[in-house]
Amino acid sequence: EAGVTQFPSHSVIEKGQTVTLRCDPISGHDNLYWYRRVMGKEIKFLLHFVKESKQDESGMPNNRFLAERTGGTYSTLKVQPAELEDSGVYFCASSLRQGLNTGELFFGEGSRLTVL
Amino acid sequence: DAKTTQPNSMESNEEEPVHLPCNHSTISGTDYIHWYRQLPSQGPEYVIHGLTSNVNNRMASLAIAEDRKSSTLILHRATLRDAAVYYCILRSLASGAGSYQLTFGKGTKLSVIP
Repeated sequence: EAGVTQFPSHSVIEKGQTVTLRCDPISGHDNLYWYRRVMGKEIKFLLHFVKESKQDESGMPNNRFLAERTGGTYSTLKVQPAELEDSGVYFCASSLRQGLNTGELFFGEGSRLTVL
Repeated sequence: DAKTTQPNSMESNEEEPVHLPCNHSTISGTDYIHWYRQLPSQGPEYVIHGLTSNVNNRMASLAIAEDRKSSTLILHRATLRDAAVYYCILRSLASGAGSYQLTFGKGTKLSVIP
């Protein structure tokens, strides 16, 4: 079974441009999460979808970031316009359900974003 | 989420057991202890989690102190593939329905010596 896949693996853009990152969760996983690690910092939560609904977007840094999950399948994270401080690795994760004993998140390999 | 404290780095010889400690003195009764690891150039990978009792799975064992203020991740025989950053994370059930924020700290960088 395929794991969480992310595209592109690496994107290099100039400041002010737009980038869209895509995440395909594991089939059947209702929960989808975005995390990121910016340079020298720790991995931070961005937001959480349950199917197509945003359950928690408290980690989104500002309104230049827009996440969507139309149809409750794949998700996109758009950064517009990109700034230098947005450079880092963006991770997507999915999980089957939230529960006391099945809290495992499956992470993708990440999309590295470099803003010049 | 309650904070955890881990050593910045540890070394182990290949084929030997590794004990990775984690302190979480402010843990609450509803906090689960989760461990994830991140291999170079990969996303985080779930290792194990527990509440009060020690836990075993195919990857590792988790030993939880009786007062739950500390725990230890045990890799029974370290291999070169186990070289990674290991994160000890508390996940509170009190975070609210629908929220599953994992709070990653700096973790412990484990080096395995051939």
